[in-house]
Amino acid sequence: GAVVSQHPSWVICKSGTSVKIECRSLDFQATTMFWYRQFPKQSLMLMATSNEGSKATYEQGVEKDKFLINHASLTLSTLTVTSAHPEDSSFYICSGEGTLLREGTDTQYFGPGTRLTVL
Amino acid sequence: AQSVTQPDIHITVSEGASLELRCNYSYGATPYLFWYVQSPGQGLQLLLKYFSGDTLVQGIKGFEAEFKRSQSSFNLRKPSVHWSDAAEYFCAVGPILTGGGNKLTFGTGTQLKVEL
Repeated sequence: GAVVSQHPSWVICKSGTSVKIECRSLDFQATTMFWYRQFPKQSLMLMATSNEGSKATYEQGVEKDKFLINHASLTLSTLTVTSAHPEDSSFYICSGEGTLLREGTDTQYFGPGTRLTVL
Repeated sequence: AQSVTQPDIHITVSEGASLELRCNYSYGATPYLFWYVQSPGQGLQLLLKYFSGDTLVQGIKGFEAEFKRSQSSFNLRKPSVHWSDAAEYFCAVGPILTGGGNKLTFGTGTQLKVEL
């Protein structure tokens, strides 16, 4: 249980275009989803926290107009990188926070990540 | 502010040898502690977690971790490493909140290499 999927797994786009990344919790409901960015050989940097049906909360230094987050349902959140530039190239990982009956506590379950390359 | 330190950037062990990955945290209250593993180009998989109870926590793939409040540590151990354990390991700390939205702070990771 506690599977999170991301789509696409990798994407290459031209500078100036927008890219949408989907994050789905497949077997649990995630009232909260998190979006992270990871640079090569570095740790995860939290970009934003999203709750179903409400606006996302962005971390300091993250441009909310550039990284649009929509959390339309308890199983789906999307991250849209608008007007992408080469410096936006990175590995983007989402997580869904859920409480499984057998565990009893909120835990983040991570998706497999999306590799974005902007040419 | 909460923080996590993983002092070892790289560790190399021989297959079959024991393993200990260090994690020290700074947190003002009772922490919620995690170990995640990341294979190349993949997301993070939860190995184990601790928030209360027995301070020795068993996880998947034969891993265990011990919470030591006096040392602010949550070290990950495995008695016999397999070649498939080669990966990046992240320690994380967060608050114990009800209702969700628990932001995690991650350490910088430890890259484990296993020699055959």
